[in-house]
This record gives sequence, C-alpha cells and structure tokens, in this order.
Amino acid sequence: AQKITQTQPGMFVQEKEAVTLDCTYDTSDQSYGLFWYKQPSSGEMIFLIYQGSYDEQNATEGRYSLNFQKARKSANLVISASQLGDSAMYFCARRGGNKLVFGAGTILRVKS
Amino acid sequence: DAGVTQSPTHLIKTRGQQVTLRCSPKSGHDTVSWYQQALGQGPQFIFQYYEEEERQRGNFPDRFSGHQFPNYSSELNVNALLLGDSALYLCASSLGTSGRNSEYFGPGTRLLVL
Repeated sequence: AQKITQTQPGMFVQEKEAVTLDCTYDTSDQSYGLFWYKQPSSGEMIFLIYQGSYDEQNATEGRYSLNFQKARKSANLVISASQLGDSAMYFCARRGGNKLVFGAGTILRVKS
Repeated sequence: DAGVTQSPTHLIKTRGQQVTLRCSPKSGHDTVSWYQQALGQGPQFIFQYYEEEERQRGNFPDRFSGHQFPNYSSELNVNALLLGDSALYLCASSLGTSGRNSEYFGPGTRLLVL
C-alpha cells in the first residue's frame, strides 16, 4: 500500500519560530513525487512545495523547505519564521500513478 | 488567471437523493481529479478525467460517477446518497499528472446528507 504517515496530529509553535512537520511514506517505486499542501479552515487545499525523488537538492519555496531523506523515506516540511496565518491543517501527499495519496494531516497552531 | 472553481459551495440533501457537483479547472489545465474529504481525514481519491475519459478510479462504488466536457470542466454525480457521503468534495486540476505537475485545488463543495 502506498501509505503516507503523519505522526503528529497537532503541533504548537511560537510566532517567529521554526517548526518541522513530519511525513514518512511507503513506496517501491524508484521515481516519485512528494507534495505538501496547506488547508485553512476555509477548506481550500493550497499547494506549498514539491520534491522529486531524483532531485539532488532539498526543495525550498520561500519560508517552506523540505527535509528529504530518501533512504529513510521521510519528507518533513520545515516552516521558518512562523506567522499567525500559518495556522492550518497541513497534508503530505505522494503521487501514486495519476492520483495523490494523502496522509491524515497535522494541525498547526501558531501562538502569539 | 482564474483558479479552480466549484459549485455549489454548500449543499444539503436527504438519503436516497442524487447530487451533481461542478468544477471548472484552472486555465490551461486539461486533467481534473475529484477527492472526498471526510471530517478530520485526508482527501481520498475518487477518480480522474482526462480527454473526457475516466483515466483512473479510486475505491468508490458505482454510485459515484463523473463526466468531463470538451472545455475540460467536470461534474461529479452521486446517486442514492448515504449519510456517509457527507463530506467536503474537492476538485483538483493539473496539466497532466507527471513529475512536478502539482494539482491545484478548488475551494470544495460541502455536502451534508440528512
């Protein structure tokens, strides 16, 4: 099964600090892609960052970076300088065939 | 540049009824996927349409059906609604599904079945 595991149901972080959201995945494929999405209370899934399995460097997009450890099959999202607007649900996903397979998500709350 | 749009935003139905949800993809995108997200869970893949054909289907019964039109917009139909069909239904579009072509999601339709 192409399972995505997010072991942290909820996380708190102080404003302006960094936070790491964990994600591990199952796969026997050599080539695959990993995604992180943010889902505010409004419900819309917002694409944050992508990591390809053959990318030589960890992906970065502004305050978002991905700590990709291929041998451990982990793709943790790092958010630097947290802002109050970062409070949301965060989902890790892997492309399996033509579809995305999502984890159960992590709720992040940023405290002022 | 318009993103993915979905209608309606909210819907209330009773058991046994039928419902149709609509999705317009992001400009330039040719592939539409539908996901069901139950409360407190991650989205689950229902099916994907490309070139007006269902290309891949998830583990959902035949009560769930869909269609893609020549302008790439799509509909999701659910027949004989069950209480368990209450969920947020998300439409996502992409230009193909390979590599780093990420899927862009719409705001979703919240369906409540009473």
